[in-house]
Amino acid sequence: DVKVTQSSRYLVKRTGEKVFLECVQDMDHENMFWYRQDPGLGLRLIYFSYDVKMKEKGDIPEGYSVSREKKERFSLILESASTNQTSMYLCASSILGGSQTGGYTFGSGTRLTVV
Amino acid sequence: AQSVTQPDIHITVSEGASLELRCNYSYGATPYLFWYVQSPGQGLQLLLKYFSGDTLVQGIKGFEAEFKRSQSSFNLRKPSVHWSDAAEYFCAVGANSGGYQKVTFGTGTKLQVIP
Repeated sequence: DVKVTQSSRYLVKRTGEKVFLECVQDMDHENMFWYRQDPGLGLRLIYFSYDVKMKEKGDIPEGYSVSREKKERFSLILESASTNQTSMYLCASSILGGSQTGGYTFGSGTRLTVV
Repeated sequence: AQSVTQPDIHITVSEGASLELRCNYSYGATPYLFWYVQSPGQGLQLLLKYFSGDTLVQGIKGFEAEFKRSQSSFNLRKPSVHWSDAAEYFCAVGANSGGYQKVTFGTGTKLQVIP
């Protein structure tokens, strides 16, 4: 079975801390994505990457950065965590878009609480 | 830009009853359409997808969806709901943009199943 693994299910961090959320996929997918999920708002795209060392801003990139040094790993970084970044974070991957698109494979999510 | 509307935030059905979850999209060309399901505390799982061809699409767990271009809709259906179907359901639309695909998610419909 193909997998997207997020390193932590639950995290509690203090305001101002630098936070790293890790995501690894074993499917050799080109595309990787970070979303945050909040009640009533659905999933909102933070950043995505279509290749190693490549990144693109999504709809809500402020306060976040990403790193993709290897194809299988995509990290989300909260430079200085704030309470309004308390959320569920979902990582996803997919093959390259177009007619071959098969939808996304999601990780189980990381529930981050910033206190 | 594409958008997705799921007009029902919460739906309650009796076990064994039929189910229809509504989804309307906005996109200028033929979209890629998806339905995902999220069980509590989990990531999202792909139920089914539509790219082209037959407008009635079969998915996993006995779900189906019908693409209606004239109504810009992609409603999800199941003839007989099981208690294990209680979850949150997300409709999504994908569109090719500059060589990659952007997927936009709806805000979700939470399904409650009562005995």
